[in-house]
Amino acid sequence: KQEVTQIPAALSVPEGENLVLNCSFTDSAIYNLQWFRQDPGKGLTSLLLIQSSQREQTSGRLNASLDKSSGRSTLYIAASQPGDSATYLCAVNSNDYKLSFGAGTTVTVRA
Amino acid sequence: NAGVTQTPKFQVLKTGQSMTLQCAQDMNHNSMYWYRQDPGMGLRLIYYSASEGTTDKGEVPNGYNVSRLNKREFSLRLESAAPSQTSVYFCASSGPSGTSTDTQYFGPGTRLTVL
Repeated sequence: KQEVTQIPAALSVPEGENLVLNCSFTDSAIYNLQWFRQDPGKGLTSLLLIQSSQREQTSGRLNASLDKSSGRSTLYIAASQPGDSATYLCAVNSNDYKLSFGAGTTVTVRA
Repeated sequence: NAGVTQTPKFQVLKTGQSMTLQCAQDMNHNSMYWYRQDPGMGLRLIYYSASEGTTDKGEVPNGYNVSRLNKREFSLRLESAAPSQTSVYFCASSGPSGTSTDTQYFGPGTRLTVL
């Protein structure tokens, strides 16, 4: 069974600092890995999807890397802003349609 | 284009009562999903439907039933609610290719409390 872990559970940084969020998974046989953002009381918004054949994906200030062999992904958010405050979830697709989620990292960006 | 919609947004039930959570998507996606989210545990898949007319169990299906009414709609039913089913329920859909390249799109959630 795929286990997904996100450390730390919470993170607080001053505005302008770069954010580094970590995700690890136990089974390297994956189709893809996705990063989602969740605001309090809201649903999930997809940020980036990395296919198993890719090493990274970029969208604006966001960059996600994937090292399948070591079972790790990292989400980088450059020059953080208070609007980046949210919970970030990592999800691994290792069985067709089924995503395995981490518990998330809650980020607070202080103005 | 509303994306994925869910009703109701909030619900309080007594133990033993039944209810149906509704989900609809307008993106012409083939696949739809029901998840529950509990504090500190991430999202867990309850049931999914890869295409119209098919449904399959996910990680935590006990106590739930689903119906894929048509391509747009996927409902989740609690026949006899229990306090352990207190959670936030999310519906999602993905498509159109039906492959691992598809992103899942989520609804806003239903917050259910069972007393």
